[in-house]
Amino acid sequence: KAGVTQTPRYLIKTRGQQVTLSCSPISGHRSVSWYQQTPGQGLQFLFEYFSETQRNKGNFPGRFSGRQFSNSRSEMNVSTLELGDSALYLCASSFIGISYNEQFFGPGTRLTVL
Amino acid sequence: ELKVEQNPLFLSMQEGKNYTIYCNYSTTSDRLYWYRQDPGKSLESLFVLLSNGAVKQEGRLMASLDTKARLSTLHITAAVHDLSATYFCAVDNNDMRFGAGTRLTVKP
Repeated sequence: KAGVTQTPRYLIKTRGQQVTLSCSPISGHRSVSWYQQTPGQGLQFLFEYFSETQRNKGNFPGRFSGRQFSNSRSEMNVSTLELGDSALYLCASSFIGISYNEQFFGPGTRLTVL
Repeated sequence: ELKVEQNPLFLSMQEGKNYTIYCNYSTTSDRLYWYRQDPGKSLESLFVLLSNGAVKQEGRLMASLDTKARLSTLHITAAVHDLSATYFCAVDNNDMRFGAGTRLTVKP
């Protein structure tokens, strides 16, 4: 079974631009979560989508948004980029089970904002 | 708000030694996960712990969960260099909260 894929793997943008990252979950997984990982703040939850609906949202400004399509693929958008948005963005998919929610992570997109 | 604390944050071990990483969390949950991350790589799922008293073992790693104490441990037995990585615990309380990670270095 193919794993979680993320594109692009690396991205360089300048302040003020916007960026869209893509995540394709494992086949059959309907939940996709996004995380930001930085050396200073660690792994921080951005949001989770399930069946095209945002189920949970972390404590990030409105510049960070996402969506999920009917095939469960998800995109994340960051508008008006700031230097502090430089990070590894990880996507994780899961098959929502009755009792648990093990997440499988993609390789990440490393975003550098200059 | 759910808080997840790991300690230690940095751990340097000699090969062959044993050690334990601790993960404390602040609110009730009976779903806890351990992940491993190698430098420059993504996270790999190690263990899923779903009930009080749950214990899982894989090779030199053993994880346990005490939901009453809100504590999970990851025990390393007879460490080898290949275990060098950063280990994260995560607690599922409708959204996943990760600990800060424990950077483990195993030295010959």
